[in-house]
Amino acid sequence: QIQLVQSGPEVKKPGESVKISCKASGYTFTQAGMQWLKQAQGKSLKWMGWINTNTGKTTYAADFTGRFVFSLETSASTAYLQITNLKNEDMATYFCARGYHGYNYPFAYWGQGTLVTVSS
Amino acid sequence: DTVLTQSPALAVSPGERVTISCRASESVSQRMYWYQQKPGQHPKLLIYAASNLESGVPARFSGSGSGTDFTLTIDPVEANDTATYFCQQSWNDPTFGAGTKLELK
Repeated sequence: QIQLVQSGPEVKKPGESVKISCKASGYTFTQAGMQWLKQAQGKSLKWMGWINTNTGKTTYAADFTGRFVFSLETSASTAYLQITNLKNEDMATYFCARGYHGYNYPFAYWGQGTLVTVSS
Repeated sequence: DTVLTQSPALAVSPGERVTISCRASESVSQRMYWYQQKPGQHPKLLIYAASNLESGVPARFSGSGSGTDFTLTIDPVEANDTATYFCQQSWNDPTFGAGTKLELK
């Protein structure tokens, strides 16, 4: 079955960087784009953008340009989200997700989420 | 961005029928989806393309609407349905509603 397994919780200081992984299994990694979403505690979800796992092309939502980088390690069926120069407002749970084969939406499959705590 | 406005928190008794609304700031055709999220879990897809039931989701859940007005209906509500429900559109860059917290009396 299709699974997305994310790396564990992170505790970082402001100004540091974090890299979250999302390992896919149960399907051919390059057949579906990988989406990234942010959810602050008690808040709704925000779509951050996505990476085409076939070409590596990235698309970032307007609020997630500059300090956010999506990348791939295709041989390991793994997608990454890196956030640099962490700020207090980056404290949230980050999810990777994918759609159905060939479609970006809806978000049919989800990782379990990675909690990033930013605290001095 | 397309803003999605959801009905506020609701409290219903088991066995009742509940409708959760979602209004879009512009037409999203039928590119509307509904998710259920329980504390500490990832969102779970319930409805896609406004009215299609995701595989494995109980038939107690149904969706309707098009354009700007959408509803998610649960009939009958069960205790296990306590959760926050989010709508999401994909007509433009994906956006989510603020969520409707469903509590059982």
